[in-house]
Amino acid sequence: DQQVKQNSPSLSVQEGRISILNCDYTNSMFDYFLWYKKYPAEGPTFLISISSIKDKNEDGRFTVFLNKSAKHLSLHIVPSQPGDSAVYFCAASPTGTASKLTFGTGTRLQVTL
Amino acid sequence: DSGVTQTPKHLITATGQRVTLRCSPRSGDLSVYWYQQSLDQGLQFLIQYYNGEERAKGNILERFSAQQFPDLHSELNLSSLELGDSALYFCASSVGGETGRGEQFFGPGTRLTVL
Repeated sequence: DQQVKQNSPSLSVQEGRISILNCDYTNSMFDYFLWYKKYPAEGPTFLISISSIKDKNEDGRFTVFLNKSAKHLSLHIVPSQPGDSAVYFCAASPTGTASKLTFGTGTRLQVTL
Repeated sequence: DSGVTQTPKHLITATGQRVTLRCSPRSGDLSVYWYQQSLDQGLQFLIQYYNGEERAKGNILERFSAQQFPDLHSELNLSSLELGDSALYFCASSVGGETGRGEQFFGPGTRLTVL
């Protein structure tokens, strides 16, 4: 049972344009969401997070939007840069057991010149 | 560099064998987490230790066990290995025990191949 879903395995975007990565979840108990970025042969690195009390969080070029009613979140990268090419994982944790992150299967983003 | 180290980087072994994966957390981090990533899958949470004590458990098989030592490094033991155990195993660390309000720092992973 995949509680966190990233339905797009890959995404290709031109440099300078907006990249939008999507994530859906099914568990209503999830109240904290994170995005991680992963380069080949490296572990995931934390990118940005959002609590369920917010619907938007911004950090530089990265913005995460949360739609609780739709159980959907998205990561926007503007403008996209070639160095953003990586696999992006969405993760979620439930109330009371914040250490148990549930990850999606990832979306491979390729930013082309 | 996240500051989390994992050894070995690669491990090739045969079915039925037992292996030990090692993780050293970032300096000052008390929590260690283990994850398994099989082909084309997301990371599956296995287990968390906080300051030497087991804190949370995920879908960890009975053939797998872990511990965290007084110097805070952790080992993941995998026994009676099966072909399906072939995966990337990541270790992560965080300062506190409740990481959802912060972030976890991941090591580079150990790639286990069971033949």
